[in-house]
Amino acid sequence: GQQVMQIPQYQHVQEGEDFTTYCNSSTTLSNIQWYKQRPGGHPVFLIQLVKSGEVKKQKRLTFQFGEAKKNSSLHITATQTTDVGTYFCAIGAGGTSYGKLTFGQGTILTVHP
Amino acid sequence: GAGVSQSPSNKVTEKGKDVELRCDPISGHTALYWYRQSLGQGLEFLIYFQGNSAPDKSGLPSDRFSAERTGGSVSTLTIQRTQQEDSAVYLCASRRTQGNTEAFFGQGTRLTVV
Repeated sequence: GQQVMQIPQYQHVQEGEDFTTYCNSSTTLSNIQWYKQRPGGHPVFLIQLVKSGEVKKQKRLTFQFGEAKKNSSLHITATQTTDVGTYFCAIGAGGTSYGKLTFGQGTILTVHP
Repeated sequence: GAGVSQSPSNKVTEKGKDVELRCDPISGHTALYWYRQSLGQGLEFLIYFQGNSAPDKSGLPSDRFSAERTGGSVSTLTIQRTQQEDSAVYLCASRRTQGNTEAFFGQGTRLTVV
């Protein structure tokens, strides 16, 4: 089935530094979603990207979908301690597996004050 | 309900025992998913239900794992003859439809097999 590779696995930053996580697929995606999981919590939906080359912003977070719809990134500007957590991308399957939601391995972000 | 509800929140069981984990999705959501998350790891897909269609069981790790969804609502994940490697957090999620909609997760059930 469809898989998505997410890098890096871990990222340690000083508060105020920027952070980026990437998701890459070998196949063209119909859409990609991003989720955040705080320590001890459950994943919470952040955003969905659908269009080729789409860029969406949520305050200090910028989400991009590649022109070929095979990769995506989440960039956080000037990290804060509240950004700590694991960030996941998720892709939906097509064909006979339509609706199946597969997650990347996640990037664990640690922010040092 | 207001959100996805899972029970129990914690379960400690002895190796070899059977366990049942319950998920109550958001009312009206047709798609329901089960994932397993080991400590510090990603979300491992287990099974997916959509309406009255046959579930996608492609992620179930062994025949000790099974799940059902009664009446298109509540789902139960059953693990038979539990092993220590089954220890993990089991997360349930639901979506309004199977398409481009966000998934809402429950708080999870932390299973510890001793």
